[in-house]
Amino acid sequence: KQEVTQIPAALSVPEGENLVLNCSFTDSAIYNLQWFRQDPGKGLTSLLLIQSSQREQTSGRLNASLDKSSGRSTLYIAASQPGDSATYLCAGRIWAGGTSYGKLTFGQGTILTVHP
Amino acid sequence: EAQVTQNPRYLITVTGKKLTVTCSQNMNHEYMSWYRQDPGLGLRQIYYSMNVEVTDKGDVPEGYKVSRKEKRNFPLILESPSPNQTSLYFCASSLEGQGYSYTFGSGTRLTVV
Repeated sequence: KQEVTQIPAALSVPEGENLVLNCSFTDSAIYNLQWFRQDPGKGLTSLLLIQSSQREQTSGRLNASLDKSSGRSTLYIAASQPGDSATYLCAGRIWAGGTSYGKLTFGQGTILTVHP
Repeated sequence: EAQVTQNPRYLITVTGKKLTVTCSQNMNHEYMSWYRQDPGLGLRQIYYSMNVEVTDKGDVPEGYKVSRKEKRNFPLILESPSPNQTSLYFCASSLEGQGYSYTFGSGTRLTVV
């Protein structure tokens, strides 16, 4: 069974710092890995999607990498800002049986606080 | 605007009173899914659907029903809600295929008393 783990569970940093969030998964047979942001009591906003054939994806100050062989993904946030404070979730898309490619398995999330 | 719409956003109900949470997407996605989010347990899949009239159980299906009569809609039905179904529920959709990303709804916070 696929398991996804995120470390650390919580992180507090001063504004301007570069930071790395970690995600590990047990099954290297994932199709892709998606990073989400969740604000308190709100829905999930997709940040980056990395296909299994890719090594990294970038969007603005965000960079996500994927290493299937080691079962790891990282989300790098450059020059952090207070507005980046949220919970960050990674999720691996795995084969769900039959003909479905659909199942997402989530990590527990990292709660990020960026203080001024 | 491409989106997944859930209703209601908030719901308080009593034990045993049947309820339906609606989910609709306007992106012509084949795949739709329901998740619940609980503190300490994260997001867990309840049911999913690969296309119209094709549904299957996720990790925590007990106490829930779904239907997929139209491509755009995927309602979640609680026939006899219990307090342990108090949770934050999310509907999501995606094109069916390994390379596609998910889009999530804004969530429905359900309280069963």
